[in-house]
Amino acid sequence: AQKVTQAQTEISVVEKEDVTLDCVYETRDTTYYLFWYKQPPSGELVFLIRRNSFDEQNEISGRYSWNFQKSTSSFNFTITASQVVDSAVYFCALIPASGGSYIPTFGRGTSLIVHP
Amino acid sequence: NAGVMQNPRHLVRRRGQEARLRCSPMKGHSHVYWYRQLPEEGLKFMVYLQKENIIDESGMPKERFSAEFPKEGPSILRIQQVVRGDSAAYFCASSPREHQNTEAFFGQGTRLTVV
Repeated sequence: AQKVTQAQTEISVVEKEDVTLDCVYETRDTTYYLFWYKQPPSGELVFLIRRNSFDEQNEISGRYSWNFQKSTSSFNFTITASQVVDSAVYFCALIPASGGSYIPTFGRGTSLIVHP
Repeated sequence: NAGVMQNPRHLVRRRGQEARLRCSPMKGHSHVYWYRQLPEEGLKFMVYLQKENIIDESGMPKERFSAEFPKEGPSILRIQQVVRGDSAAYFCASSPREHQNTEAFFGQGTRLTVV
């Protein structure tokens, strides 16, 4: 069974602050995929990133960066110089890919509020 | 660039009525996944369908809920005799490849309110 834990229920920051959203996962699968999704107030789910379990390179995309640490089973997401438009709920998810089941498991989400 | 289309966006039903939620996958995608999001919770997998086949329904309640993905037309998630606890956002995702939810794209969701 898989488990994804996003311990931070809500984070509140002031614009231009850096903020890190934590994601810790549990899985017995040796191959898996990790995702981050953004859910803005409008409700849709926006894909941000997918990472394979065998690729531990960190990734940067503009103000977003992701730190994948297999040793600690974490896939943290950092927003640099946050903006009000970053206010949303962010979900981390895991999909196992080696056991024949590809059912995704989502964390409960972290609500990020960026104040002007 | 037509993404995954879900309709209606909002649906209000009285207890005991039926709710039908539709999902049209992205062009070229033949795999559809349904998820439920309860208030202030993450998404819970419900069912995975391929055209005319249910591949995995392990997350679907055994009673009142059913899903189909016919050869022609959208995928339908059907909830019979709705109860207040069914109030949630229901998301659909589609992907182009079998057993690879790795490139699934989500629709905007249907918010079901049972009154």
